[in-house]
Amino acid sequence: AQSVAQPEDQVNVAEGNPLTVKCTYSVSGNPYLFWYVQYPNRGLQFLLKYITGDNLVKGSYGFEAEFNKSQTSFHLKKPSALVSDSALYFCAVRGPYNQGGKLIFGQGTELSVKP
Amino acid sequence: GAGVSQSPSNKVTEKGKDVELRCDPISGHTALYWYRQSLGQGLEFLIYFQGNSAPDKSGLPSDRFSAERTGGSVSTLTIQRTQQEDSAVYLCASSPRGQLSNQPQHFGDGTRLSIL
Repeated sequence: AQSVAQPEDQVNVAEGNPLTVKCTYSVSGNPYLFWYVQYPNRGLQFLLKYITGDNLVKGSYGFEAEFNKSQTSFHLKKPSALVSDSALYFCAVRGPYNQGGKLIFGQGTELSVKP
Repeated sequence: GAGVSQSPSNKVTEKGKDVELRCDPISGHTALYWYRQSLGQGLEFLIYFQGNSAPDKSGLPSDRFSAERTGGSVSTLTIQRTQQEDSAVYLCASSPRGQLSNQPQHFGDGTRLSIL
């Protein structure tokens, strides 16, 4: 079965420092991976995706993610964190082809960036 | 352009009442998904509509939950005889082609449902 794990419930970073939010996955076949961000009382906002091609994917707001097939990981990164990056981050994998493309989410990581 | 629109944004109701939640997807998106976000269960898939095909209802937690999509656009999620464990945020998402698309799903802001 497809699954996603985000091993950290919370990540704390100082503004200006690099940030990493971890994600590992388990799928049969090629993974289609996504990162979403959720601000309080809002829906999920798409950041970036990996379908195929370069292992380093660039997305919105200066975020990027590195796909590592051997480690089955898709960690989200940003070189210099902003206070406004504080939010809840979800990693997701697209479900099996015969299940309509539904997303299977990790449990979420709360990112806190302090001035 | 307009995103996914959900209404109401908040709903408080008494246990045992029926509720209807509405989702208006992005124009032209043929795939529509409902998810539930709760503290204990995280984000879970509920149901998927693709065009005029039969919906994938595999994520619905009980027969008290049902959904329909009229005219391939607006969708309504109905919960009958609500229970306290139904309290959650119900999120709707749409995408251009569902399983045939690599495009991301676009989410609405959700309906926050509280059962007293």
